[in-house]
Amino acid sequence: GAVVSQHPSRVICKSGTSVKIECRSLDFQATTMFWYRQFPKQSLMLMATSNEGSKATYEQGVEKDKFLINHASLTLSTLTVTSAHPEDSSFYICSAPGRTAYYGYTFGSGTRLTVV
Amino acid sequence: AQSVTQPDIHITVSEGASLELRCNYSYGATPYLFWYVQSPGQGLQLLLKYFSGDTLVQGIKGFEAEFKRSQSSFNLRKPSVHWSDAAEYFCAVALNQAGTALIFGKGTTLSVSS
Repeated sequence: GAVVSQHPSRVICKSGTSVKIECRSLDFQATTMFWYRQFPKQSLMLMATSNEGSKATYEQGVEKDKFLINHASLTLSTLTVTSAHPEDSSFYICSAPGRTAYYGYTFGSGTRLTVV
Repeated sequence: AQSVTQPDIHITVSEGASLELRCNYSYGATPYLFWYVQSPGQGLQLLLKYFSGDTLVQGIKGFEAEFKRSQSSFNLRKPSVHWSDAAEYFCAVALNQAGTALIFGKGTTLSVSS
């Protein structure tokens, strides 16, 4: 089946630095990638949608300049948390959809970001 | 606005007892419906999904869910809970349109007592 490889699984960074999270579709082409954020014991909140070759679409309230999303190829989407602060500490998950919802969604395994 | 509601934040069930987790949705049309499970610090695992047809859907790990259009509900059930079922459960919905994201409910934490 379809697999999305997400790296790193865990990262600790210092406040003020930037962190890049990668999601690769291993055996299929992902023209779209959804990025979610999950705070401890809370739900997954959609942050943005990336589309290969075009600008990402951000959900209301998500800072575009802080969360840079790039979808440079059909198999790679990246989320860069810039100038990270402790409040950015969270669990980030990517998800690639099938052609429609009927074909399901493939999730990455998630990245636990801790900013100290 | 489209929304997914999971009324129960936390449920505790005795091992071997039956389980029902509630999910209600608010959409203009019947969306596609999903249940996912997440163990602590882990990613998401799909339990089951409903698109159309038989309103009782069978999933993995002995779970099932019933779609009730009149109640806008998609409740998850299991006849006998095992200690390993303790996890976070999320109901999610999506429209059948290309490029549509899943929208998740707030989740229900299931604890299993011995």
